[in-house]
Amino acid sequence: DAGITQSPRHKVTETGTPVTLRCHQTENHRYMYWYRQDPGHGLRLIHYSYGVKDTDKGEVSDGYSVSRSKTEDFLLTLESATSSQTSVYFCAIQGVSTGELFFGEGSRLTVL
Amino acid sequence: GESVGLHLPTLSVQEGDNSIINCAYSNSASDYFIWYKQESGKGPQFIIDIRSNMDKRQGQRVTVLLNKTVKHLSLQIAATQPGDSAVYFCAETIQGAQKLVFGQGTRLTINP
Repeated sequence: DAGITQSPRHKVTETGTPVTLRCHQTENHRYMYWYRQDPGHGLRLIHYSYGVKDTDKGEVSDGYSVSRSKTEDFLLTLESATSSQTSVYFCAIQGVSTGELFFGEGSRLTVL
Repeated sequence: GESVGLHLPTLSVQEGDNSIINCAYSNSASDYFIWYKQESGKGPQFIIDIRSNMDKRQGQRVTVLLNKTVKHLSLQIAATQPGDSAVYFCAETIQGAQKLVFGQGTRLTINP
């Protein structure tokens, strides 16, 4: 157990509505990541954070924003959800002494 | 499950046999590689890693082989068990870059 909690685990919403996914860690790790997972695409990086208020874009960042106001929480926001954002979203933290990532259990988002 | 897609390469093996899962990575500058296992409805879990100064590393029942000449990575699982059924992902990165790039995954099915 890497001490990562994602919420909500499941959400159904309508096109155009805002959605925020939360990732909470108890490990005090500096680096946190948001990935999405889709059939045929594997895991793709959306955004990541390297410290409080320090974030950067990944390969599929369009339509997403993130915030990290404290070490333990990394929020992913869809300002206006679209059907193409239907996916499973995974949060991850990076090990201190290694480059490996520890993943949360995922949040399934369905945009109707 | 939340993670698996419909178009993954699939490998079926008999329980007790050895399995080999292959991965072609994309960036010749990558110097750190990880294999992850993802069971249905769960986040990816670390299995084993290898740095580019090695060509083989062994863990418990698993061995990773790295061939930098052809940018190829493989995961060998010895004496497969039903619990080995999952999707397996390779991931690559350049140490210090803080971004893991994942392959699309291979679904391993263990037949009784």
